[in-house]
Amino acid sequence: GAVVSQHPSRVICKSGTSVKIECRSLDFQATTMFWYRQFPKQSLMLMATSNEGSKATYEQGVEKDKFLINHASLTLSTLTVTSAHPEDSSFYICSASGLEGDTQYFGPGTRLTVL
Amino acid sequence: RKEVEQDPGPFNVPEGATVAFNCTYSNSASQSFFWYRQDCRKEPKLLMSVYSSGNEDGRFTAQLNRASQYISLLIRDSKLSDSATYLCVGDSGGYQKVTFGIGTKLQVIP
Repeated sequence: GAVVSQHPSRVICKSGTSVKIECRSLDFQATTMFWYRQFPKQSLMLMATSNEGSKATYEQGVEKDKFLINHASLTLSTLTVTSAHPEDSSFYICSASGLEGDTQYFGPGTRLTVL
Repeated sequence: RKEVEQDPGPFNVPEGATVAFNCTYSNSASQSFFWYRQDCRKEPKLLMSVYSSGNEDGRFTAQLNRASQYISLLIRDSKLSDSATYLCVGDSGGYQKVTFGIGTKLQVIP
């Protein structure tokens, strides 16, 4: 159990375009989903926490208008990077919890490269 | 001070060795702790939760010391396949979210 999928796994886009990343919990209902970003040789940094049916809570320094999060159901959350720029190139990872307390189960990540 | 601190390493150990990692946390309200394993360019995978009484899973033992605010991970009889980055994780004191340490890189050498 506790499988989380993420799509796409890799995306390359031009500067100024928007990219949508999907995160799905496949075999459990995720009451909470989290979006992280990880730059090379750095720790995972939480971007936002999202509960189904409510607005996401963004961490300090993360622009909510640039990183749009939608958590429409207990199994799906999406992150849209709007008007992406090269500095947004990173590894974006989602996680979901709800199966066992605070334990988070991670998706495989999406590697975004903005040219 | 970072909420969760780890020595990034790398720790280079021979196969069969025992290796231990420590991680300190600053939020005394934190209740839940975990060790995750992350392979290069992959997502973190839960290795084990850390309980107050300590817990063991095969070659892996995790301990929590609340008085000194640190958790530890002990790996016995290291295998080549144990080579990875081990992430220490603590919750934020009841606010759902967790904080990751930078990770400790382990390289097991034949």
